[in-house]
Amino acid sequence: DAKTTQPPSMDCAEGRAANLPCNHSTISGNEYVYWYRQIHSQGPQYIIHGLKNNETNEMASLIITEDRKSSTLILPHATLRDTAVYYCIVRVGYSGNTPLVFGKGTRLSVIA
Amino acid sequence: ETGVTQTPRHLVMGMTNKKSLKCEQHLGHNAMYWYKQSAKKPLELMFVYNFKEQTENNSVPSRFSPECPNSSHLFLHLHTLQPEDSALYLCASSQSTGGHSYEQYFGPGTRLTVT
Repeated sequence: DAKTTQPPSMDCAEGRAANLPCNHSTISGNEYVYWYRQIHSQGPQYIIHGLKNNETNEMASLIITEDRKSSTLILPHATLRDTAVYYCIVRVGYSGNTPLVFGKGTRLSVIA
Repeated sequence: ETGVTQTPRHLVMGMTNKKSLKCEQHLGHNAMYWYKQSAKKPLELMFVYNFKEQTENNSVPSRFSPECPNSSHLFLHLHTLQPEDSALYLCASSQSTGGHSYEQYFGPGTRLTVT
């Protein structure tokens, strides 16, 4: 079972920041937080991951609370192409072939 | 383009047919995965291979038979499937050693319909 809880859906106006929350209150010390997204009927796409520090890349920023029990994925300027299902996943980081356990994710709709 | 290709992209097969799905990764990874995504359900892991050896079988029925001849290729052989096996089948790969961040890269999937 997925170890994360996400809202089922969110809307965001085009050009505004999209903030997607995730709760992972039972996360262990050796588990990372990963974010993926899946645009309709395509394979999931890796976005970002982190352990305890905030992370930023060209796609998004990841803010992890100090107690690591929740996190927020931020898309700074959402576009229509960001409409997708976003998955927050916790995963042990030391073993590279540990599979991902997907939940139902958050369906983000970016509106013009 | 993620560096993971899957063929065919669409497949329709009868319950008595035998078919195979193919996955190839061009990323130099050593772990490969099969996932299944049924309508309105989360992605489910099916199999994991690491350095060509199967390391996980998530209680998948024997009518699904994986094969990993080398670290770049992964097959899923299908026989006597049921209509409820209709789904999107996704292949992924990742690095599994060397201190990499281990993110998985997914192919576009094969949309399978069993009639």
